[in-house]
Amino acid sequence: AQSVTQLDSQVPVFEEAPVELRCNYSSSVSVYLFWYVQYPNQGLQLLLKYLSGSTLVKGINGFEAEFNKSQTSFHLRKPSVHISDTAEYFCAVSRAAGSYQLTFGKGTKLSVIP
Amino acid sequence: EAQVTQNPRYLITVTGKKLTVTCSQNMNHEYMSWYRQDPGLGLRQIYYSMNVEVTDKGDVPEGYKVSRKEKRNFPLILESPSPNQTSLYFCASSPQSIMNTEAFFGQGTRLTVV
Repeated sequence: AQSVTQLDSQVPVFEEAPVELRCNYSSSVSVYLFWYVQYPNQGLQLLLKYLSGSTLVKGINGFEAEFNKSQTSFHLRKPSVHISDTAEYFCAVSRAAGSYQLTFGKGTKLSVIP
Repeated sequence: EAQVTQNPRYLITVTGKKLTVTCSQNMNHEYMSWYRQDPGLGLRQIYYSMNVEVTDKGDVPEGYKVSRKEKRNFPLILESPSPNQTSLYFCASSPQSIMNTEAFFGQGTRLTVV
């Protein structure tokens, strides 16, 4: 079975500073990787996904993530955050074959400080 | 508008009183699932359905039931709710069962069992 570890439960960062949210996964087979964002009192929405090909994936709202197979990581980055990026971010993984489940990490709360 | 609709959004009930949380999607998606979100635990899958009349257990199915009689609807049933089922519940749908596409989430149902 696959699993996801989000290394930081909370990340405070000043407005316009860069941010990196860390995600490591565990799986014995090829995987698909996702980042979702949850704004207060809302459901989750997809930021970006990695299926195959280029290891650098660009998503919405200026976010990007890099797939690193050797380190089994999929860290999310943004070069300059805004107040509106304050939210909880979830990394998720599914096996590329033979799986009907999406496994989520425990989430990282990003707080952008004015 | 393409969406996943959950009802009710908020529910307070007493231990042992059967309840149903409804979920409906208007995107003709094959795959639907239920998650619960608890602080510090992220999202955990309760049940999922790959198509009409096809359902399977997720990671935390105890105390829950589901049915998929129509493609658009996937209700979550708690036959005898207990306080440990107090949580935020999300329904999600995806175009297909192969987990390489975006999952669309409802707005959530906050359930309190007293």
